[in-house]
Parts: sequence; structure tokens; C-alpha cells
Amino acid sequence: EVQLVESGGDLAQPGGSLRLSCAASGFTFGRRPMGWVRQAPGKGLEWVSTINDNGINTHYGDSVRGRVIISRDNSKNILYLQMNSLRAEDTAVYHCAAWINAHFDYWGRGTPVTVSS
Amino acid sequence: DIVMTQTPLSSPVILGQPASISCKSSKSLVHSDGNTYLSWFHQRPGQPPRLLIYRISNRFSGVPDRFSGSGAGTDFTLNINRVEAEDVGVYYCAQLTDFPWTFGQGTRVEIK
Repeated sequence: EVQLVESGGDLAQPGGSLRLSCAASGFTFGRRPMGWVRQAPGKGLEWVSTINDNGINTHYGDSVRGRVIISRDNSKNILYLQMNSLRAEDTAVYHCAAWINAHFDYWGRGTPVTVSS
Repeated sequence: DIVMTQTPLSSPVILGQPASISCKSSKSLVHSDGNTYLSWFHQRPGQPPRLLIYRISNRFSGVPDRFSGSGAGTDFTLNINRVEAEDVGVYYCAQLTDFPWTFGQGTRVEIK
């Protein structure tokens, strides 16, 4: 059974940093692209970032490019999202999602990030 | 960036009746590899999104056959043959052809 469990979400100050993690199991993690999608309170879905299977190729959404870094540790089956220079508009639930047979076919429940002073 | 526009934004439906959601993209979603990466997701309240349809019309594993997707180029449709109570929630289309990937605004389906 595919499982994706996010952690690391917290209350952070504007300008601060957080590192989100996503522990994956139930599939060959190191052979599948992964990504992050966020959802601000009461709002729709926003794609944040995607990384290929070996971690070489990464892509970012316009609103986070230059402030976040996606990475992965295939030896530990963990996906990361390093978030820097946090803004109030980064407040959201952050879901990790896998691309096993199709884009974003499996999702985690998400980890909440709140940016506020 | 490709803009995804869904209509309607809200859809009150009667149980057992059909429902249809339109999704239009600002640019063709045909990828250079020949595929069209248009997906549909469903999100129930308090739950993460789940994949329903990928590449326009392919139902994901476990998705009931009352859900179907169609379309081409820039115009796409999600149809629910006979709406059941568990189908309430918000439906999103998404294009995964060009970076940045983008979602539609979402369509809320509720029982009338």
C-alpha cells in the first residue's frame, strides 16, 4: 500500500524558514518523480514543485521559485521541501504527491504551514 | 503560464442525475510527446485530493465507471453519469503538460 506522510509544518515568522519532509513507502520511491502541492485555507490547489526520480531535474511554481528547494534522499525514501524567506501567503497545507502510474496519483494528507508574526 | 478555467464553479445536483464540469485551457495541452496531460481530481471535505482521470479520459484505479473524461486540445469535460452522495466535494482539472503546472479554480458539487 502506497503511503505518503508529511511532517515539518509549523508556525513560522515572516522571513523565516521551514523544512518539510514526506516519508514514502509502498512503492519504489527512487524510481518515481515526486512533487508538492499546497492549499491555502479555503482556497484551491496550487502546484509548488516537482523533482524527477534521481533528483537532478527540478521545477518550481512562479510564487515560490527562488525561495524553496525540493530535494530527495532515495536511500531513506524521503522527499523534502526547504522553504526560505517565508511570506504570509505561503500559509497553506502542503501535500506531497507521487507520480507512480500517472501524475499525482497518490497524495499525503498534508502538513500545515502558518506564516505569521 | 497556462490558465485553466472551470465552469460552473458550483453545481447543485440531484442524486441519480448526471453532472458535467467543463475545463478550458488558455493553450493547447498537447505535449511534444503527443500525449495530453489533463487530469481531474476530487477532494472531499477534510481529505486530500484524489486522482480520478488522467490523460483526458483514463480512469485511475478504483474510480467508478460513472466518471468519465473527454475532450482535446483546449476543451475538456468531466462527466458523472449518476451522481451519488459520496461524489460531493470539489473537483479540479489540472494541466501537467507545461511548467508551471496549473489547476483550475475548482467546482463544488453539492446535492440539491
